[in-house]
Amino acid sequence: DAKTTQPPSMDCAEGRAANLPCNHSTISGNEYVYWYRQIHSQGPQYIIHGLKNNETNEMASLIITEDRKSSTLILPHATLRDTAVYYCIVRVPTRSNFGNEKLTFGTGTRLTIIP
Amino acid sequence: KAGVTQTPRYLIKTRGQQVTLSCSPISGHRSVSWYQQTPGQGLQFLFEYFSETQRNKGNFPGRFSGRQFSNSRSEMNVSTLELGDSALYLCASSLAKKGSSYEQYFGPGTRLTVT
Repeated sequence: DAKTTQPPSMDCAEGRAANLPCNHSTISGNEYVYWYRQIHSQGPQYIIHGLKNNETNEMASLIITEDRKSSTLILPHATLRDTAVYYCIVRVPTRSNFGNEKLTFGTGTRLTIIP
Repeated sequence: KAGVTQTPRYLIKTRGQQVTLSCSPISGHRSVSWYQQTPGQGLQFLFEYFSETQRNKGNFPGRFSGRQFSNSRSEMNVSTLELGDSALYLCASSLAKKGSSYEQYFGPGTRLTVT
């Protein structure tokens, strides 16, 4: 799996958009970008994933640059409950019916939402 | 649909003992992965089981082992506990089926303290 680089910490004002960057300059053509977050002392939670097109779901938006070497996770209206560590992971998704679900977590970005 | 459950949630053991942790995946999920999280090393992959077979293994000593039952429930065992085994142990399940949406769902974890 390709290596990712994220800033160690960020602050964002409550109600504003939180933009979390991730660099994955060595990503290969069949690798997807996944985002997970971990709220203190809980298990990580899946947020979103994408290959090359921008993606949006009820939690967030994912913007991937055209060369796919970086991406940004956007939380459109951050709340205090969004305070967490956010992990950007690059991997090849399941292509068979035989498992291979390993996730390689980096150090992530600790996002703090300021009231 | 019920989420991933892990038992027990908290455990205190002494050095040299062994411990067994249990994980029940989401109904219908076939892959179960285990992770260890410590402040120093972060989230590290232990192993993955799919259809009762270990599919992937992380870089941990043989004291760490696991198994999966026919109903996809999984257990992990750590023998001859060391102080450094104190950690949050997380279990994740996924559908692991070709064409599925690829996300993994994590349980709340088991907090193991070795004294």
